[in-house]
Order: sequence, then C-alpha cells, then structure tokens
Amino acid sequence: QSALTQPRSVSGSPGQSVTISCTGTSSDIGGYSYVSWYQQHPGKAPKLMIYDVSKRPSGVPDRFSGSKSGNTASLTISGLQAEDEADYYCCSYAGNYKYVFGTGTTVTVL
Amino acid sequence: QVQLVQSGAEVKKPGASVRVSCKASGYTFTNYYLHWVRQAPGQGLEWMGFINPSGGSTSYAQKFQGRVTMTRDTSTSTVYMDLSSLRSEDTALYFCARNSDSGLDFWGHGTLVTVSS
Repeated sequence: QSALTQPRSVSGSPGQSVTISCTGTSSDIGGYSYVSWYQQHPGKAPKLMIYDVSKRPSGVPDRFSGSKSGNTASLTISGLQAEDEADYYCCSYAGNYKYVFGTGTTVTVL
Repeated sequence: QVQLVQSGAEVKKPGASVRVSCKASGYTFTNYYLHWVRQAPGQGLEWMGFINPSGGSTSYAQKFQGRVTMTRDTSTSTVYMDLSSLRSEDTALYFCARNSDSGLDFWGHGTLVTVSS
C-alpha cells in the first residue's frame, strides 16, 4: 500500500485560505468515505481535525473543512491563523481492514 | 478524561525485539480499537496496524506482517506492540491512538525506539 500523495508544502498570509490535496486511488480514497485529516505541531502528537471526509470533531474550528472528489481528498483552511502553522496528514481506509496515511504537508503562515 | 499512557524510550541493537505498551484510561477499554502509528525522525506518519481490545483480533500493514504482533491485556486496559528483527530504519516515535469510528481521536504521547549498534 503506497502512501497517499500530498504537496510537500503550502503557504498563505493570515486571513487567506489554503487547500491541501491528498491523492490516492480507487482502492482507498476513491472507494470509501473514510478520509480523515490530522494536524501535528512540532514535538506533539497528531490531532484529529476532520473525519469521514468532511465532518469536524467537537472543538475544531469551522475554518477547517474537508471534501472529496474521485480519488482526491482536500482540506481547506479558511481565514488562516498563525496557530494553523503545522504539518497536516490525510489518512484513508484502504479496504481489508487496512489504512494508509498521506506523505504530509507543511503549512506555513507568511 | 481519556488518556493513553505509553511506556518509556527504548534503545535496541539491530536484530533485537522491542515491546511498547499503551495503557488506556477514562473510557471503556473494550469499546474502541487501538491503532499503532510510527514516525521516523523528520518523516511522516506510517500506519502499522490495529487491535480490537474486545476480542483481540488484529490487522497489520503488509509492510510489517511477520515482524509485528499486537496484543492486549483487558485486566489492565493495556495494549502491546512487539516489533522484531529491528533494523536502523525502525528508529522512530511509536504512537498508539484510539479509533472512535470518527478517526483517531486520542493519541498517546509517543515512545521513541532507537535502533543502533
């Protein structure tokens, strides 16, 4: 199972929107609606931001939104804030009780 | 409150095995699957597998099949991850994480495993 493909980095100014893509195949992202996104600050454990493609856990700001089209999922951060600077990882169910993470994207707030 | 407390850092020689533990508290242990995810230094997250604490069933990433074993002790609400035939590429931070069917909603603090001769 190959890692899902994410851009290495994206950046934006405070208040702007950024979108992170996560590309897989019909065997993972395209085949199921079980895509989640995680935020990780340096030296910290990952934090769940989005699950089931577009649902937000309690406590996650509504600036974070998720979507999916075909074999590609996306995470959009609207109204970018300084504390959003972190690494972000997508994760998809890949069938047969397997999961796969994305390669990770560093978000930089300019 | 939900907590996942992992065992301390380990230093192992190539070829050896390591056991990392993850003790759960603050919820019904048998109601949630527990996953293991690792992160090599400066690298991304890598899914290793999960265990169902209720019946003990497991699923492992193909990459680790034959080298990893996940077990649980319901009397202490603890899951274990054993990794054998260690090599330098196994040097990483190993996380346990709870799966709530909404994603991995609670994570342990991570256990650093260093493989070095």
